[in-house]
Amino acid sequence: GAGVSQSPSNKVTEKGKDVELRCDPISGHTALYWYRQSLGQGLEFLIYFQGNSAPDKSGLPSDRFSAERTGGSVSTLTIQRTQQEDSAVYLCASSFRLAGTDTQYFGPGTRLTVL
Amino acid sequence: AQKITQTQPGMFVQEKEAVTLDCTYDTSDPSYGLFWYKQPSSGEMIFLIYQGSYDQQNATEGRYSLNFQKARKSANLVISASQLGDSAMYFCAMRRHTGNQFYFGTGTSLTVIP
Repeated sequence: GAGVSQSPSNKVTEKGKDVELRCDPISGHTALYWYRQSLGQGLEFLIYFQGNSAPDKSGLPSDRFSAERTGGSVSTLTIQRTQQEDSAVYLCASSFRLAGTDTQYFGPGTRLTVL
Repeated sequence: AQKITQTQPGMFVQEKEAVTLDCTYDTSDPSYGLFWYKQPSSGEMIFLIYQGSYDQQNATEGRYSLNFQKARKSANLVISASQLGDSAMYFCAMRRHTGNQFYFGTGTSLTVIP
């Protein structure tokens, strides 16, 4: 594909509801990252997938957050029982992980608003 | 712990002038990569330039160059001949070559003045 795509672009939900955010990485990219960016802040690492290896979940802020990557391609980030502090832009990035550079290419993000 | 520091929350530059955006990092790893990204108001993160810790020369990509001073642990981005379209947030990031995480700074907001 041309680039990383994410859906939906915007999501408004009520506190306590579950949400699913989707990421389609660049075809052939083996690595996939999820980040969270709160208003006016930098990027907060959430989770990382590399090929068939176990994901690095060390950045997930609570057990309400989970993610999966099916078939080594599409990834879904799920937030259960959303809270207002979950409101942020969720960015996905993918890379073809070569030794050294591992340049990430980002999607346009999903803006999540929890009312 | 890995840490990226961008001390300039906001910068202004006159169109066609050069500007330097500061970035310092902290790591005990000998091998790492440094990245700069641009985030315009549309929100998408755009990769600009990469510098490896063992690279002997400073990286350049068109109007972007990276002033890499390893001993000082700084990786400043230089934008030459600024254009109005350069107005955006700029993020410095680092990844250890043995790790999975990218560490991002808090960003610098650049405004190019006509």
